[in-house]
Amino acid sequence: DTGVSQNPRHKITKRGQNVTFRCDPISEHNRLYWYRQTLGQGPEFLTYFQNEAQLEKSRLLSDRFSAERPKGSFSTLEIQRTEQGDSAMYLCASSFRDRGSYEQYFGPGTRLTVT
Amino acid sequence: SQQGEEDPQALSIQEGENATMNCSYKTSINNLQWYRQNSGRGLVHLILIRSNEREKHSGRLRVTLDTSKKSSSLLITASRAADTASYFCASETRMDSSYKLIFGSGTRLLVRP
Repeated sequence: DTGVSQNPRHKITKRGQNVTFRCDPISEHNRLYWYRQTLGQGPEFLTYFQNEAQLEKSRLLSDRFSAERPKGSFSTLEIQRTEQGDSAMYLCASSFRDRGSYEQYFGPGTRLTVT
Repeated sequence: SQQGEEDPQALSIQEGENATMNCSYKTSINNLQWYRQNSGRGLVHLILIRSNEREKHSGRLRVTLDTSKKSSSLLITASRAADTASYFCASETRMDSSYKLIFGSGTRLLVRP
């Protein structure tokens, strides 16, 4: 068990460019979450997958954001036409609640800077 | 904002002292969890208290929950310099099937050696 991994760890992009982040959850975890965290704040929920199905999206997730989890394994989060307000830490978490474990395991995050 | 509130926002104590952080949340919960985040690193789960529990202990951690006041507290006893981090409460809501976490704004704890 190597934990949740995220790539890249840092991304600097110019306004208007598209970016894609990847999350590899713990292998047996069927639930996967994306959160966004800005400086000095707690993480805010963005979206949730159970296996490959995206079951909930926050109103924070504008139409420039899209997430996928093909085959219920890794997930990608894409931001199109980035804006400076998108600068934040993007966190991925996974869990396997069906085993009675309610905690979420977080990855180290991808820090996005939009210039 | 969907976030809960935490206080204090920042806390500075001497090694060996106890640290108490408070959290308030807004909706009915399944459970409330506390996480720690070190500078530049991901969140690590510390302890979970269910909605029908009032107090829970884990090592040097003690968490209380008052559902009538929608509040929780985390006590770290005999603090160490390594406890320096940001601490977040996270409520798991009862209202949807995603079991997402709604985080508080966090308390930044500094433990001085």
